[in-house]
Amino acid sequence: SQQGEEDPQALSIQEGENATMNCSYKTSINNLQWYRQNSGRGLVHLILIRSNEREKHSGRLRVTLDTSKKSSSLLITASRAADTASYFCATDASHYNNNDMRFGAGTRLTVKP
Amino acid sequence: DAEITQSPRHKITETGRQVTLACHQTWNHNNMFWYRQDLGHGLRLIHYSYGVQDTNKGEVSDGYSVSRSNTEDLPLTLESAASSQTSVYFCASQRRPNSPLHFGNGTRLTVT
Repeated sequence: SQQGEEDPQALSIQEGENATMNCSYKTSINNLQWYRQNSGRGLVHLILIRSNEREKHSGRLRVTLDTSKKSSSLLITASRAADTASYFCATDASHYNNNDMRFGAGTRLTVKP
Repeated sequence: DAEITQSPRHKITETGRQVTLACHQTWNHNNMFWYRQDLGHGLRLIHYSYGVQDTNKGEVSDGYSVSRSNTEDLPLTLESAASSQTSVYFCASQRRPNSPLHFGNGTRLTVT
């Protein structure tokens, strides 16, 4: 079963605007990761946030984690057309045997030039 | 540069046939995974391996098998392909638990 659930399923914005995607999960985690997938390609790792961290930055990306609400958000600032992709959260749940990663269904982001 | 490659990129097969999808990584990672991606389901874990001779079932393992005879390769075999196995398959490798996954570009499999 899916562990992460992204929201919204699809998001369309203009270039230069900020994009916020949310992820909710069900069980306690070791860490949460965000990935990007361009059409027809594999997933590419963006950022990892550990369960004892609340916020993390990488370039134009900002990730927050609220373990009390079992939720995370990914903010892309000053979006570009090249940010058009699907974004997935993945959790490495502490209770899973052998730490296998579980992914949500993703948010499809479209950035219009 | 290290990489992970999947072959073939596209495959069409008939119901009942055995199919093997290849995955080869040059990262020298012990951990390798197979996922399938279907619309509305995201990625679902099929099988995974934490090293040579180690294989484990994921959440959707029925009808699939893997073998790990060396560090670099984790082939995925569909014993008797079914139409429900039409999907995009992704292989990934990982240096250690709790670290990022490195994905291949996928194999699109169609079972007719």
